[in-house]
Amino acid sequence: DAKTTQPPSMDCAEGRAANLPCNHSTISGNEYVYWYRQIHSQGPQYIIHGLKNNETNEMASLIITEDRKSSTLILPHATLRDTAVYYCIPNAGNNRKLIWGLGTSLAVNP
Amino acid sequence: ETGVTQTPRHLVMGMTNKKSLKCEQHLGHNAMYWYKQSAKKPLELMFVYNFKEQTENNSVPSRFSPECPNSSHLFLHLHTLQPEDSALYLCASSQDVLGAKNIQYFGAGTRLSVL
Repeated sequence: DAKTTQPPSMDCAEGRAANLPCNHSTISGNEYVYWYRQIHSQGPQYIIHGLKNNETNEMASLIITEDRKSSTLILPHATLRDTAVYYCIPNAGNNRKLIWGLGTSLAVNP
Repeated sequence: ETGVTQTPRHLVMGMTNKKSLKCEQHLGHNAMYWYKQSAKKPLELMFVYNFKEQTENNSVPSRFSPECPNSSHLFLHLHTLQPEDSALYLCASSQDVLGAKNIQYFGAGTRLSVL
């Protein structure tokens, strides 16, 4: 099962880009990298996912290294509402391998 | 609004009570999930249903009993719980369980306290 390593906490100034790293060096070839976030007292919210190529949507960009051992979630212009815990999760579709770590607690400061 | 509704939002029960948590999704998804989130611990996947069939039971104690009558509804029946079962219980749904289509949409959760 792929394990992930994320920094426990990060700070970012409002309006600046937030770059959240994730190490998933044991990821297998068929595992997608999913990112979710959880705002206090709410359920997790899907952000973005990818397999090999970089991805972008209206919320964020996902940069996956060529060897797929790590990825970075980029919030291009962080706002106060982006303050949340961010989770990086490898997912092959076999839910026994869907392991949620403790994520990164991102604080966006005014 | 995520399209996944959980009731009740808060529940307090004694160890001898029987209660049920309800989850309903309005997204037309085929897979539904129960998670447990204890304080300062990662989310723990409890059960997975795909097309109403249970596909995963991650060593969950029998005092938790899931039920999935159709693809839109999921229940978690609780009986003789322990104080350590106090946690946030989250329901989620996804189009499919395959890796590429496993975007999960979560409800707001039920905050359970066992006295």
